[in-house]
Amino acid sequence: SQQGEEDPQALSIQEGENATMNCSYKTSINNLQWYRQNSGRGLVHLILIRSNEREKHSGRLRVTLDTSKKSSSLLITASRAADTASYFCATADRGSTLGRLYFGRGTQLTVWP
Amino acid sequence: DVKVTQSSRYLVKRTGEKVFLECVQDMDHENMFWYRQDPGLGLRLIYFSYDVKMKEKGDIPEGYSVSREKKERFSLILESASTNQTSMYLCASSANRGRFSQPQHFGDGTRLSIL
Repeated sequence: SQQGEEDPQALSIQEGENATMNCSYKTSINNLQWYRQNSGRGLVHLILIRSNEREKHSGRLRVTLDTSKKSSSLLITASRAADTASYFCATADRGSTLGRLYFGRGTQLTVWP
Repeated sequence: DVKVTQSSRYLVKRTGEKVFLECVQDMDHENMFWYRQDPGLGLRLIYFSYDVKMKEKGDIPEGYSVSREKKERFSLILESASTNQTSMYLCASSANRGRFSQPQHFGDGTRLSIL
């Protein structure tokens, strides 16, 4: 399967702590994207990192990419209760066309006030 | 902001019925996608379309068909609904920028129950 794998499946932390989620994948990629999904809603795009980039920041989000290990991590700093959601990585494979992405199964993050 | 609108948030149908799920996007995106999401299985791609009247099978097309007669609208059809098609259905769209897949924009989903 070309599907990515997030780790851990579930993460529970206190407000103010940092949350780190990992994603591993199997193929060569053009880019890797992270999405967030609140309960009962659609996914929302958070950040895209290209295969020639190693790190990217957006507000309290920091994403790293290691193409030699075929892995990425998403760090949320100073987490808030409102960050409670499922987080998914998605890969855009190098051999793929037509805009297709391959999504992982997600990490469920719970932030306690 | 891109808006992807799915026609129903909740839908209840009976086995054997023909079911239509509609999706409309307002950003002139070339690509549109239908996924189903089940607990523990993540998002699975059913069908996608890269242009009007064009379609490609995803990973689980069996029991489904699609229609894209206009660029902004992508319909998912359950030919003869079965209970194992009870699921959350998500529609998404993205722009076509050649070989670099762009972010996808999602609707809020349709929770479909087949009785």
